[in-house]
Amino acid sequence: EPEVTQTPSHQVTQMGQEVILRCVPISNHLYFYWYRQILGQKVEFLVSFYNNEISEKSEIFDDQFSVERPDGSNFTLKIRSTKLEDSAMYFCASMSELPYEQYFGPGTRLTVT
Amino acid sequence: DQQVKQNSPSLSVQEGRISILNCDYTNSMFDYFLWYKKYPAEGPTFLISISSIKDKNEDGRFTVFLNKSAKHLSLHIVPSQPGDSAVYFCAASSLGNTPLVFGKGTRLSVIA
Repeated sequence: EPEVTQTPSHQVTQMGQEVILRCVPISNHLYFYWYRQILGQKVEFLVSFYNNEISEKSEIFDDQFSVERPDGSNFTLKIRSTKLEDSAMYFCASMSELPYEQYFGPGTRLTVT
Repeated sequence: DQQVKQNSPSLSVQEGRISILNCDYTNSMFDYFLWYKKYPAEGPTFLISISSIKDKNEDGRFTVFLNKSAKHLSLHIVPSQPGDSAVYFCAASSLGNTPLVFGKGTRLSVIA
């Protein structure tokens, strides 16, 4: 069964460093998303991507964040200068046109020290 | 601003009995609702969904009920099994392909 994959599973970085989180969505899906979950809190939406551009973003997704789909298969989230409060689980999700069911990857645990 | 609320942080049920997980929402623009199951250190796993034109959707042991007038949905698991023990998230979207808004989750423990 096709699934969303994410790498790395765990990333530790120092404050101020850049990180790139990688995702391979399900191959025939058209919509791509990043969410995050800070420990003990809700899963929160960051950004959605469709037709090679950002379709929607939340207040969390500020200028320090960017997304790319560089080669038609990978979908990346870059945090330019990490802060302590960026420590969270980051989930990638993808969805086809119909049905509207988003499938999530296993997540990357980002720890900023 | 909790647009999707799961008011029970935890629920314990005996194996073989029914588990009922509840979810309320405030945004009347939501028209698509999903339930996800999550184990520790894993991503949310899609379980079942329902669109606002229906009031019930069933898939095996899982049934979701939607009461639009009350802005309430529930997930029924019958019979409950120990492997169902996980955190269950309710999520909602409008127009189907918009971002999901999640509830805080309910931790279900099924006791053998």
